[in-house]
Amino acid sequence: QKEVEQNSGPLSVPEGAIASLNCTYSDRVSQSFFWYRQYSGKSPELIMSIYSNGDKEDGRFTAQLNKASQYVSLLIRDSQPSDSATYLCALDDSWGKFQFGAGTQVVVTP
Amino acid sequence: SAVISQKPSRDICQRGTSLTIQCQVDSQVTMMFWYRQQPGQSLTLIATANQGSEATYESGFVIDKFPISRPNLTFSTLTVSNMSPEDSSIYLCSVEDQATSRADTQYFGPGTRLTVL
Repeated sequence: QKEVEQNSGPLSVPEGAIASLNCTYSDRVSQSFFWYRQYSGKSPELIMSIYSNGDKEDGRFTAQLNKASQYVSLLIRDSQPSDSATYLCALDDSWGKFQFGAGTQVVVTP
Repeated sequence: SAVISQKPSRDICQRGTSLTIQCQVDSQVTMMFWYRQQPGQSLTLIATANQGSEATYESGFVIDKFPISRPNLTFSTLTVSNMSPEDSSIYLCSVEDQATSRADTQYFGPGTRLTVL
């Protein structure tokens, strides 16, 4: 079983709609969770970090964490074509190392 | 966050040769890491670059193939030795920037795209 699971997509989202990305993980000890955005040919860029159960909002992005159910999600409101990218879920595992999911490709269609 | 640069940004190499990739940070950082991202794949941690001591390698990666140096708190190099086409990948360095964020947040350099013929 992979440490971090994501649906690879592609997730097709109409412009202006909400994109919903999910991530599940197996390490119950993990306390730190991250979402990165990666454009094709570029390096990952940190979007959000979340450490406590509940929601955390930053602009059009909302991260949601549920440690009991071992999932973390990312909502992108008012999706724009510039949001088209691969979104990587990551966590800091019990060994203090980052584990990355395979990423979900998001395609925002005009 | 810290500004991270990598050299070269890309290279095409012949099999059997070696390439050294440099990672430079504009501020002192405690933790530096090297990752590999193969085409269409996610990131795989190669090693943690430790300042003043030998790097800590992940399972499947060895020092003879991927020697790493970390002479100070702002610079590290990764060498890909005796390359084969299977080494074609993007190589990324990352840092934990404790000055501006929680200690466990990682930021990535722009990457080095390596093609081995």
